[in-house]
Amino acid sequence: NAGVTQTPKFRVLKTGQSMTLLCAQDMNHEYMYWYRQDPGMGLRLIHYSVGEGTTAKGEVPDGYNVSRLKKQNFLLGLESAAPSQTSVYFCASSRTRTEKLFFGSGTQLSVL
Amino acid sequence: GESVGLHLPTLSVQEGDNSIINCAYSNSASDYFIWYKQESGKGPQFIIDIRSNMDKRQGQRVTVLLNKTVKHLSLQIAATQPGDSAVYFCAEKAEGSARQLTFGSGTQLTVLP
Repeated sequence: NAGVTQTPKFRVLKTGQSMTLLCAQDMNHEYMYWYRQDPGMGLRLIHYSVGEGTTAKGEVPDGYNVSRLKKQNFLLGLESAAPSQTSVYFCASSRTRTEKLFFGSGTQLSVL
Repeated sequence: GESVGLHLPTLSVQEGDNSIINCAYSNSASDYFIWYKQESGKGPQFIIDIRSNMDKRQGQRVTVLLNKTVKHLSLQIAATQPGDSAVYFCAEKAEGSARQLTFGSGTQLTVLP
């Protein structure tokens, strides 16, 4: 049972480039989330999804887009990467809105 | 606005001693609280949670205490081991609201030999 899997684990982009981070969960969870984690700060919610075909904005959504075409996958896109988006990105899922989140192992993204 | 904060950014304890990590929250409507452990280079790992209808909950070597009067949460780790060295986050939410889980900035726990 893999839980929550994120790909890639590391990525370096140049300013203005685009990329997509993939998150997959095999627990049949309805809820999925994308967080970013910066040094000395807690996790900040970018976007989340309450079910297949749905997305919603979190605390820091600007510069990111997401899609949830399949229940098990949640994609995070950066259309035009900026140095301020250098961070560690974590995907998470939960069975319901009020239950604990399960996290992936993270993606280290550097934007030069 | 709402905030979740930790009293101390770092905590060092001797191996075998008990550890206490504190967390304050400001939203009086918060009614669900979670502690996560994050080891270097890994994603956060669930430790224990508690709902506001309880003031104490115990797990394996861990206890969470909730004081709603002063909006304070603590995580106690008994007989701290080297493997407990990590960053610990508290998080909270109000289950009746649309707001998702809000995380604190974390406490770095270092276990000294």
